[in-house]
Amino acid sequence: GDSVTQMEGPVTLSEEAFLTINCTYTATGYPSLFWYVQYPGEGLQLLLKATKADDKGSNKGFEATYRKETTSFHLEKGSVQVSDSAVYFCALSAPLRNQFYFGTGTSLTVIP
Amino acid sequence: DVKVTQSSRYLVKRTGEKVFLECVQDMDHENMFWYRQDPGLGLRLIYFSYDVKMKEKGDIPEGYSVSREKKERFSLILESASTNQTSMYLCASRNYRGLSSTGELFFGEGSRLTVL
Repeated sequence: GDSVTQMEGPVTLSEEAFLTINCTYTATGYPSLFWYVQYPGEGLQLLLKATKADDKGSNKGFEATYRKETTSFHLEKGSVQVSDSAVYFCALSAPLRNQFYFGTGTSLTVIP
Repeated sequence: DVKVTQSSRYLVKRTGEKVFLECVQDMDHENMFWYRQDPGLGLRLIYFSYDVKMKEKGDIPEGYSVSREKKERFSLILESASTNQTSMYLCASRNYRGLSSTGELFFGEGSRLTVL
């Protein structure tokens, strides 16, 4: 069945460091891929998305490219800030089944 | 701005009590979802609804029921709360159009339930 696997955390980085959070997926057909962010005590917010192969989603300095050949959608940011401290979830949407599948989340802490 | 509103941010209930969690969306979305979120387990789907009065079980429906009498409102009901239902509950909605749908989920801010 469809699934998402993302790297486990927690991840701790210094401010201005480079961030990569790995995400790979298993799906039949052509899913849409998403990254969500959850700040402490809040719900999930969409960070970025990509709907077809080779699409790049970007927002707030974060980027992820939909790689069908490696079934991956890794999240990257060139220079993290303290305000980026949050939990990040990779997700896929399977159109044929109207289902969303989430990874288990990666907690990021950025220290000054 | 699109909005999903959950009625209570924090609730404390006693074992055996009946608990209602309400969710309202203002986007005219067909689909609505209830998840629970627990440390180390990520998000798990409890129930979803693809239309008024329609519901489907998710991965962990035991101990829960839902109600969708109006398109904008989706309620989660714990008939007899137990301590293992202490969790963060997240409501979400989505505009789904079948095979052409790439729509994202919109989430509420969550309801943190503690059952004593």
